[in-house]
Amino acid sequence: QVQLVESGGGVVQPGRSLRLSCAASGFTFSTYGMHWVRQAPGKGLEWVAVISYDGSYKYYADSVKGRFFISRDNAKNTLDLQMNSLRAEDTAVYYCAKEELVYLDHWGQGTLVTVSS
Amino acid sequence: SYELTQPPSVSVSPGQTARITCSGDALPKKYAHWYQQKSGQAPVLVIYEDNKRPSGIPERFSGSSSGTMATLTISGAQVEDEADYSCYSTDSSAFHRGVFGGGTKLTVL
Repeated sequence: QVQLVESGGGVVQPGRSLRLSCAASGFTFSTYGMHWVRQAPGKGLEWVAVISYDGSYKYYADSVKGRFFISRDNAKNTLDLQMNSLRAEDTAVYYCAKEELVYLDHWGQGTLVTVSS
Repeated sequence: SYELTQPPSVSVSPGQTARITCSGDALPKKYAHWYQQKSGQAPVLVIYEDNKRPSGIPERFSGSSSGTMATLTISGAQVEDEADYSCYSTDSSAFHRGVFGGGTKLTVL
């Protein structure tokens, strides 16, 4: 069955960088778009970024554009999110999610990122 | 930027019908999808493409869309349906760019 496992979260100081990873299994990773979604403590879901199945297009939320970068390695079945210039408002649980047509059908359990001095 | 609007909370008694709305200017042209999220858990897809139910989701969950409003209906809500529900759609300007509604807390008691 589809499995998505995020890693890389932790506590980081404002202005620093962090790289999240998502290991995918149970489906043909190279044929699906993938997304990152985050949820700040006590808040709703916020869409962050998407990458196409082959990496040819990438879109970002305005709140992270120019600071966050999504990438994938289809040989290793992994999805990454490079987060630079982190701010307190980036504190959230970060989920990776598999795309099916125009919706997200499977999600990981999430990894917590805390930006604090 | 594109926005989806949901009521912050809805409350029903067990066995009643719960309706959660999601409004957005692009919904006449874009599908709405719905996610259930229980405390401390990852979101789960309960309705996709306006009104389709994934396998394993109880029949009491249904969806509809008309004009700029999509609705998630839970017929005969159960105590275990108490959760946060979020609608999701895609930005009309970029096919795969996503957007979530603010979420609705459903209380069943």
